[in-house]
Amino acid sequence: SQQGEEDPQALSIQEGENATMNCSYKTSINNLQWYRQNSGRGLVHLILIRSNEREKHSGRLRVTLDTSKKSSSLLITASRAADTASYFCATDYGNNRLAFGKGNQVVVIP
Amino acid sequence: DAGVIQSPRHEVTEMGQEVTLRCKPISGHNSLFWYRQTMMRGLELLIYFNNNVPIDDSGMPEDRFSAKMPNASFSTLKIQPSEPRDSAVYFCASSLRGPEAFFGQGTRLTVV
Repeated sequence: SQQGEEDPQALSIQEGENATMNCSYKTSINNLQWYRQNSGRGLVHLILIRSNEREKHSGRLRVTLDTSKKSSSLLITASRAADTASYFCATDYGNNRLAFGKGNQVVVIP
Repeated sequence: DAGVIQSPRHEVTEMGQEVTLRCKPISGHNSLFWYRQTMMRGLELLIYFNNNVPIDDSGMPEDRFSAKMPNASFSTLKIQPSEPRDSAVYFCASSLRGPEAFFGQGTRLTVV
């Protein structure tokens, strides 16, 4: 199965700053997704980018995908304290089965 | 819709005991997934059902683990006998054809 890997692992920023996380994967994909997990909670889908897309926006989220480098980035602009969470990228390796990375822990300091 | 519902939210059991985790997917969703999350291994897919039929159980770690989906609105994950290394958060997720998965709140299992 494919395995996404996020880099960096932990990020601490001030409220209002931007947060950028990266993800790499090993094989070809149909799409790549980003999920958020608040402490003690389930994962929540944030955004999906298909393999033929290079960039996608949703509110304060911006995702890029570089299939030649097998990498993706998630940018959260104008961060808020409520953005404090772990963020995971996930690749679909067929039949909607997801392989998740280890996650980025983001702490936004008010 | 209430989303994916898992029960119990927390389970503490002694080694050797049987543990049953329950999941109610979102109504109308035709795919159901069981994932396990640990600090060491992250999120791992255990088993995947499509239209109540197990399609891929290659992630089930051992024969001690079994999963069923008797109907479209209910699934169970059973561990018998449980071991301390089974301690983890177990998530159920469902989806409707598309790749976006909807996760439950998880069951935190502690085996002592």
